[in-house]
Amino acid sequence: DIQMTQSPSSLSASVGDRVTITCRASQSISSYLNWYQQKPGKAPKLLIYAASSLQSGVPSRFSGSGSGTDFTLTISSLQPEDFATYYCQQSYSTPQTFGQGTRLEIK
Amino acid sequence: QVQLVQSGAEVKKPGASVKVSCKASGYTFTSYDINWVRQATGQGLEWMGWMNPNSGNTGYAQKFQGRVTMTRNTSISTAYMELSSLRSEDTAVYYCARNSGWDHFDYWGQGTLVTVSS
Repeated sequence: DIQMTQSPSSLSASVGDRVTITCRASQSISSYLNWYQQKPGKAPKLLIYAASSLQSGVPSRFSGSGSGTDFTLTISSLQPEDFATYYCQQSYSTPQTFGQGTRLEIK
Repeated sequence: QVQLVQSGAEVKKPGASVKVSCKASGYTFTSYDINWVRQATGQGLEWMGWMNPNSGNTGYAQKFQGRVTMTRNTSISTAYMELSSLRSEDTAVYYCARNSGWDHFDYWGQGTLVTVSS
């Protein structure tokens, strides 16, 4: 199975900050990398697919980059509603696997 | 609008089975694969498998092989996930999610809490 490792596991930031979360795959996954946001008690929400494509309706302050084994999710200017947990997911091969999550908290 | 509505919370005893439903609306049910993902309390997301509602073809994570069965009823646009031989470690929220067709999950159900306890 492909292991997905996110860093950091948790992060404290302020409204207006620029934040970057990284995700590393244990082997090359091309661009088969998706990012989800999850708020407490809610289902995950798709933000970015295919490493860098913004899902319809998602604010443009979210962006994704990378290919192969190293990927990043960037939030250009944090808004109050962005405080949540973020997961990367590889869809290159089954079983599809998720990172352990990055909890983004208010500083 | 696309919606996936799941069945309600369940409490089961160890060794029992649970069947969770996922009713789709707002799109052609047979055109998109349905996946199942679970999340134990305070933990991350774990992919369980997929089902093609048109053909009924399935693919399961090896961890769940032999214990999970994914089925559908196309007449009511509903997918099902049945997990047998339940143990306490199966206590989790179970989500269904639609595969957009491009290997990402664009719509999710609201989740179903399954509690396994004696």
